[in-house]
Amino acid sequence: KAGVTQTPRYLIKTRGQQVTLSCSPISGHRSVSWYQQTPGQGLQFLFEYFSETQRNKGNFPGRFSGRQFSNSRSEMNVSTLELGDSALYLCASSLTGGISGNTIYFGEGSWLTVV
Amino acid sequence: AQRVTQPEKLLSVFKGAPVELKCNYSYSGSPELFWYVQYSRQRLQLLLRHISRESIKGFTADLNKGETSFHLKKPFAQEEDSAMYYCALKGGGADGLTFGKGTHLIIQP
Repeated sequence: KAGVTQTPRYLIKTRGQQVTLSCSPISGHRSVSWYQQTPGQGLQFLFEYFSETQRNKGNFPGRFSGRQFSNSRSEMNVSTLELGDSALYLCASSLTGGISGNTIYFGEGSWLTVV
Repeated sequence: AQRVTQPEKLLSVFKGAPVELKCNYSYSGSPELFWYVQYSRQRLQLLLRHISRESIKGFTADLNKGETSFHLKKPFAQEEDSAMYYCALKGGGADGLTFGKGTHLIIQP
């Protein structure tokens, strides 16, 4: 079956703009989480959605937001972009999330460059 | 606060030599520990988790709660093991994964 799919793969934005990234989870997976990866901070948890509800949120400012649709597809939005938002944004999906032992599968990521 | 520490950014060993990638964690409860691997130009993928107590591609990892460690080991390294390895922790509740900064493993021929 198809893996986690993220679009777009690469994008360049200007400071102050906003961006929306999309994620299609593996079929049947209801939990979608987002991570930011940068050389300095590594992989950091942004938020997790389950059944269209945000279940958890990492330590990021309110400019970072997301949502999940009824088909489990998810989008994340970053408003008022800053240079420091340049990163690889990874989406991950699992059956139900939590600590039940579900395997978390990652997408290839969306490379965002803010200039 | 939970934290995962991978002390080595880079580890280089010769083919056939034993490999040990270190991972220490800080968490007050009973965490779930994972090792993820990212091969060149591939996505991040799960290598193994402590609750499964399995060996994948010859790698094993044992959770040592006393030393709060979850080191990854392989007795005989192969060139195809060259990759980035990330140790990750999942705490109680439904928090996301907390990752270490990763160790770049290079297996020399």
